[in-house]
Amino acid sequence: EVQLVQSGAEVKKPGESLKISCKGSGYSFTSFWIGWVRQMPGKGLEWMGIIYPGDSDTRYSPSFQGQVTISADKSISTAYLQWSSLKASDTAMYYCARRDNDWYSSDYWGQGTLVTVSS
Amino acid sequence: DIQMTQSPSSLSASLGDRVTITCRASQSITRTLSWFQQKPGKAPKLLIYAASSLQSGVPSRFSGSGSGTDFTLTISSLQPEDFATYYCQQSYNTPYTFGQGTKLEIK
Repeated sequence: EVQLVQSGAEVKKPGESLKISCKGSGYSFTSFWIGWVRQMPGKGLEWMGIIYPGDSDTRYSPSFQGQVTISADKSISTAYLQWSSLKASDTAMYYCARRDNDWYSSDYWGQGTLVTVSS
Repeated sequence: DIQMTQSPSSLSASLGDRVTITCRASQSITRTLSWFQQKPGKAPKLLIYAASSLQSGVPSRFSGSGSGTDFTLTISSLQPEDFATYYCQQSYNTPYTFGQGTKLEIK
C-alpha cells in the first residue's frame, strides 16, 4: 500500500528555522517525483515545488523560489521542506503528494503538516 | 505560469442533483488535468486524472471531460458525502497550478 506520512504539527516563532518531512512507503521512492502544496487557513491549494528523489532534481514555483528549500534523502525514503527564517505568513497546512509517472497527477497525498508561526 | 480558472466559486445543490464544475486553462494543456475533492481538515483526494480517467475506487457518478483549455467535472447524482470543495490542477508545465476551488454546499 502506497503511503506518505508527514511529520507532526509545528509551532514556531518568526525568524526560526524549520524542516518538515514526508516519508514514502509501499512503492519505489526513487522512481516518483514528490511535490509540496501549501494551503493557508481558509484558502485554496498552492503548488510549491517538486523533487525527484532518484537524483534530487528539483523544480520550484516562482512564488516559492528562494523562500523554501525542497530536498530528499533516498536512503530513508523521505522528502523535506525547509525554511531558514519563518514568517507569520508561512502559517499554513503543508501537504506532500506523489506525482504519477504517466499523466503527472498527484495520486497519493500525505496527511498534512500544520505549521503555525507566531510570536 | 499557466492560470487555471474554475467556475463557479461556490454552488448550492440538492441531493440527487446533477452538477457541473468548469475549469479553463490560460493556454492549451492537452489532457494533463486532474480533479481533486477536499473535505474540511483532510488532504485532497484525486478523483479524475488525464481529464477523464476515473481514479481507482472513485464512484462512477464522477466524470470528467475536455481537452486543450476547457474542462468539466460532473457529478451525476449528488450524494451526502459529495459536499466538499473541488479543485482542478494542470500538470502540463511546472508550476503545476490549481484552480481557486469550487465549494459545493447543500441547498
